[in-house]
Amino acid sequence: EAAVTQSPRSKVAVTGGKVTLSCHQTNNHDYMYWYRQDTGHGLRLIHYSYVADSTEKGDIPDGYKASRPSQENFSLILELASLSQTAVYFCASRDNNYAEQFFGPGTRLTVL
Amino acid sequence: GMPVEQNPPALSLYEGADSGLRCNFSTTMKSVQWFQQNHRGRLITLFYLAQGTKENGRLKSTFNSKERYSTLHIKDAQLEDSGTYFCAADGGSGNKLIFGTGTLLSVKP
Repeated sequence: EAAVTQSPRSKVAVTGGKVTLSCHQTNNHDYMYWYRQDTGHGLRLIHYSYVADSTEKGDIPDGYKASRPSQENFSLILELASLSQTAVYFCASRDNNYAEQFFGPGTRLTVL
Repeated sequence: GMPVEQNPPALSLYEGADSGLRCNFSTTMKSVQWFQQNHRGRLITLFYLAQGTKENGRLKSTFNSKERYSTLHIKDAQLEDSGTYFCAADGGSGNKLIFGTGTLLSVKP
């Protein structure tokens, strides 16, 4: 069965610190995505990638960087974490030829 | 307006009742996914549709790309159906899902 895993599952960070969220998929999918969800809202796209060593900006990329070192792994990096980045972050993957996205369990990030 | 409008924002049902959720799209979408987000926050995919209608147990979903809407119908609601339901549409760029704002469903005994 398709699997997308995220680590850590939750994290508390300090303002101004660096945070790295990791995503790993065993689906052999080309596309990977990072979304954030704020309390009481739907998900919004931060960054995505359709091939290793390449990333693209989504709708809300400011304050975030992404890294895709391999097909299986996609990281989201907050160089200088801010209070406004407190949210739940979801990773997803999809096949190149099929639009359904498969989501990981989410990472709850709290910035203090 | 919002590219994906989801209604109602909240819904309260008694066990055994039937009801429906709806998403309207401002532009033509190529596909839609419906999710249930449970109390642990995990997103559970209920349906993926590129066209037509699908059923799974007590759930049924329809996607009409031409008329720009999708529906999710819940039959014989159960307590475990409680949660937040999201629709998310693929505009065809292949790059992202556009999420609705969700429907908070509460099923009461």
